[in-house]
Amino acid sequence: NAGVMQNPRHLVRRRGQEARLRCSPMKGHSHVYWYRQLPEEGLKFMVYLQKENIIDESGMPKERFSAEFPKEGPSILRIQQVVRGDSAAYFCASTTPTGAYEQYFGPGTRLTVT
Amino acid sequence: SQQGEEDPQALSIQEGENATMNCSYKTSINNLQWYRQNSGRGLVHLILIRSNEREKHSGRLRVTLDTSKKSSSLLITASRAADTASYFCATGVNTDKLIFGTGTRLQVFP
Repeated sequence: NAGVMQNPRHLVRRRGQEARLRCSPMKGHSHVYWYRQLPEEGLKFMVYLQKENIIDESGMPKERFSAEFPKEGPSILRIQQVVRGDSAAYFCASTTPTGAYEQYFGPGTRLTVT
Repeated sequence: SQQGEEDPQALSIQEGENATMNCSYKTSINNLQWYRQNSGRGLVHLILIRSNEREKHSGRLRVTLDTSKKSSSLLITASRAADTASYFCATGVNTDKLIFGTGTRLQVFP
């Protein structure tokens, strides 16, 4: 049973470009969470999605960031017009729809903005 | 601000010694979880303790939860060099987001 998959693992973008981060949850999981981790810090919640539905986006910056989890395919975290401050590790986690509390994390995507 | 604050920020011990990390949080919770993160890697779930539980064991791990003090501790007994990692507590209210602490960096010397 494959775990949570994220790609790419590393992404380098120049300022002003767009970054697309993908997350495929574990098989049977329909809840996806995105977190961001700055160097030497803990993870900070960004957004919680179910299939075709954003449940909680209270941690998302108001501009340039968006997330989706379509009926088919992976969840996408999209960052438009990246700036150096967006450089971080972005982690995706998934859970089952049955109310489990434990979240299973992917290996993360390390975004570097030059 | 983050829900969890962890103490100490960094801890260095010799193999075979026990390591204790503490986590404090601010609001009512449904559950508290501990995760390990090796340098540059993703998070690995270690243990979950629910708000109505006081203590839980898993192998060399022992977690306590004191909801009256809004605090938890993680004890790793007989530490090994492979335990070297950052350890994070995370609190959950329901099946919603987790709020992570700042982490404790554990270094275990052979």
